[in-house]
Amino acid sequence: GDSVTQMEGPVTLSEEAFLTINCTYTATGYPSLFWYVQYPGEGLQLLLKATKADDKGSNKGFEATYRKETTSFHLEKGSVQVSDSAVYFCALLLGDSNYQLIWGAGTKLIIKP
Amino acid sequence: GAVVSQHPSRVICKSGTSVKIECRSLDFQATTMFWYRQFPKKSLMLMATSNEGSKATYEQGVEKDKFLINHASLTLSTLTVTSAHPEDSSFYICSASRSSGVWEQYFGPGTRLTVT
Repeated sequence: GDSVTQMEGPVTLSEEAFLTINCTYTATGYPSLFWYVQYPGEGLQLLLKATKADDKGSNKGFEATYRKETTSFHLEKGSVQVSDSAVYFCALLLGDSNYQLIWGAGTKLIIKP
Repeated sequence: GAVVSQHPSRVICKSGTSVKIECRSLDFQATTMFWYRQFPKKSLMLMATSNEGSKATYEQGVEKDKFLINHASLTLSTLTVTSAHPEDSSFYICSASRSSGVWEQYFGPGTRLTVT
């Protein structure tokens, strides 16, 4: 079935380090791919998205490229800040569904000053 | 804009009692609302989808008589966990979208339910 797998956390980095959070997916058809972020005490927020192969989503210094050949959508940031500490979720939306998101388990990111 | 609130943020109840969780869209009208359940270190699991004024559509394996969902207005949906048991303890998250067929969902902060 359709699924999303992302790296287990927590991921702990020092400020200004390079970040990669891996996300791979299994899906039939041509899904759209998303990264959501949940800051402590807040609801999930859309961070970035990509709707077709080779698209790059970007926001707040984060980037992710939709790689169909490797079925991946890894999240990257060149220099993380303490304020980036949060839980990050990778998700996909199937092409034939307009609302059902398939979620990864989430990766907790901890940035130390 | 597009803020969704949930109340309460945490609730502890005794086994056999019922608990109601509210989900409100504060600055927009939510035609569709979703209820998710999240287990520790697990993916969010969609429980049901509700459209204002109609019955909720439950996902396979979710007991509709146990998890009662009401979407009586364009800004409020409620989830009632009836006759709660310890295995119902979980993190419940709601989301809302502005109109049917629109993929973007706005999420509430979640409600931690503990059944003792």
